[in-house]
Amino acid sequence: RKEVEQDPGPFNVPEGATVAFNCTYSNSASQSFFWYRQDCRKEPKLLMSVYSSGNEDGRFTAQLNRASQYISLLIRDSKLSDSATYLCVVNSRDSNYQLIWGAGTKLIIKP
Amino acid sequence: ETGVTQSPTHLIKTRGQQVTLRCSSQSGHNTVSWYQQALGQGPQFIFQYYREEENGRGNFPPRFSGLQFPNYSSELNVNALELDDSALYLCASSLERNLYEQYFGPGTRLTVT
Repeated sequence: RKEVEQDPGPFNVPEGATVAFNCTYSNSASQSFFWYRQDCRKEPKLLMSVYSSGNEDGRFTAQLNRASQYISLLIRDSKLSDSATYLCVVNSRDSNYQLIWGAGTKLIIKP
Repeated sequence: ETGVTQSPTHLIKTRGQQVTLRCSSQSGHNTVSWYQQALGQGPQFIFQYYREEENGRGNFPPRFSGLQFPNYSSELNVNALELDDSALYLCASSLERNLYEQYFGPGTRLTVT
């Protein structure tokens, strides 16, 4: 079983729709959680950190469920420019804070 | 932009050769991590350097080695290149061993023929 699992997609979504991604992690000692965005043939860029209480940044909302060991990302009112691969990332003290990455979920927003 | 730079941008090598990739970290960041990203996969952790010492290593053979310099810039060296080493190599800098977010350079795309 992979340490961080994501649905690879692609998710084909019409512009303006709401889309949700889930990510599960296997290490219950994981402490920090992030969503990164990666455009085709570019480097990953931090989208948002995920806090225990959940957090929102404009159209993006991230949630953490420690009991079930999953993280979610919700994108509201999706834009064409949201098309990218979204990567879920976790780290933990017992892995010396190494970041463990999911393989990413590809999102395609259609006009 | 993150302020993390990598060189070269692209590189083509033949099997058996050696390669050195370079990374300059964001100002003030003392931790550099290197990743290998194959097509369609998430980044795979190679190793991390913190204050010039290796601070963790992923599941990569010893022919992958690295250095970090006093200015916190870093090198990744790969000996005896294999075809499967073809990938995007990403460098990320952070503060204090990933206690905070990592910021990535644009990557070096290595092709081994």
